[in-house]
Amino acid sequence: QVQLVESGGGLVKPGGSLRLSCAASGFTFSDYYMSWIRQAPGKGLEWVSYISSSGSTIYYADSVKGRFTISRDNAKNSLYLQMNSLRAEDTAVYYCARDNLGNWYFDLWGRGTLVTVSS
Amino acid sequence: AIRITQSPSSLSASTGDRVTITCRASQGISSYLAWYQQKPGKAPKLLIYAASTLQSGVPSRFSGSGSGTDFTLTISCLQSEDFATYYCQQYYSFTTFGPGTKVDIK
Repeated sequence: QVQLVESGGGLVKPGGSLRLSCAASGFTFSDYYMSWIRQAPGKGLEWVSYISSSGSTIYYADSVKGRFTISRDNAKNSLYLQMNSLRAEDTAVYYCARDNLGNWYFDLWGRGTLVTVSS
Repeated sequence: AIRITQSPSSLSASTGDRVTITCRASQGISSYLAWYQQKPGKAPKLLIYAASTLQSGVPSRFSGSGSGTDFTLTISCLQSEDFATYYCQQYYSFTTFGPGTKVDIK
């Protein structure tokens, strides 16, 4: 079954850290570029970070640059997002999404994992 | 950064209605535009890419048009399962999403 499953979300205090994971199955993960996209409660979608199929090219939104790190392990069919120095405004559902062969639109999404930053 | 606006922000419609949602980019983006449908508590679902290409498996009542700065998503005959929020996304320069249009039952 072609799917993405996120994990690792939870409640964290401001300034804290969290690592999200996304497990891919049913397709050749190493062929695809991937992104993390988030959605604050009741709000719209915000792209967070992008990684190429090999991991050699990475981009971040200005809102997370210097605090978040995207990575992948193609041998484990997994995508990661290390989030440091978390702020209340980082509270959101975080989705991993498959990029359609480097075209920057997203044809497969996970169900998301909720990150809540609160004291 | 390219800004995306959508109109209306919400609309009420009945089953069988024809619905049109507009997306406007702050600068020309050629046809680098996608549309997504999102239902409450669910992940977005890709409907259309390249402004007018229907994603595999998406019903033909959905269509997209436009290029440059102005785009539309049309649902020709609204079905009960189409009540949702719709987002457009530009991918001409990195990517940004529009604020969404909620389609609910009249």
